[in-house]
Amino acid sequence: KNEVEQSPQNLTAQEGEFITINCSYSVGISALHWLQQHPGGGIVSLFMLSSGKKKHGRLIATINIQEKHSSLHITASHPRDSAVYICAGYHYNTDKLIFGTGTRLQVFP
Amino acid sequence: GAGVSQSPSNKVTEKGKDVELRCDPISGHTALYWYRQSLGQGLEFLIYFQGNSAPDKSGLPSDRFSAERTGGSVSTLTIQRTQQEDSAVYLCASTLYKGENRPQYFGPGTRLTVL
Repeated sequence: KNEVEQSPQNLTAQEGEFITINCSYSVGISALHWLQQHPGGGIVSLFMLSSGKKKHGRLIATINIQEKHSSLHITASHPRDSAVYICAGYHYNTDKLIFGTGTRLQVFP
Repeated sequence: GAGVSQSPSNKVTEKGKDVELRCDPISGHTALYWYRQSLGQGLEFLIYFQGNSAPDKSGLPSDRFSAERTGGSVSTLTIQRTQQEDSAVYLCASTLYKGENRPQYFGPGTRLTVL
């Protein structure tokens, strides 16, 4: 079992839909990254959070440390949001990032 | 400002050859990480450097893999006697501090293909 699990693995949506990607982890972490990877492109850090909620444009990330769970929400989704979204936690002791396997999102017009 | 850069962007090599992959982190970033992403797989930690401290090599998959960071800046990942299973995208990331939970900034990666 992976220490960082994401769901769903694949997600398709129509433009405009509200999207939620979930991340659960079984190890102690000090902070959690949400990353975006476009096909053939590099990786971009969307959020890093250790508590509560952060918002950037149409993206919202939340984390519940007690429940060891984080969610990434995309409001009013757009085809350009199509990408792989990866959550990664900083391991509490080693400070290394432990990666989830990613969620592949496709948004159709 | 300039982001993390990596070279080459693509590398095709024959099995058994050595390869060197280069990473130029963001200027002033003291921590540098190497990751590997095999086809259809998630990201895998390889090694990280922080300042002048000894690197954490715990993610290197075999002794054919090594990395250096000269002058606290540029890093080179070397793979000796490449094998087909080494084919992957190798990503470098840098951050201002280690242990401060700063965001990591990723380079575009080097796609390595071992024939």
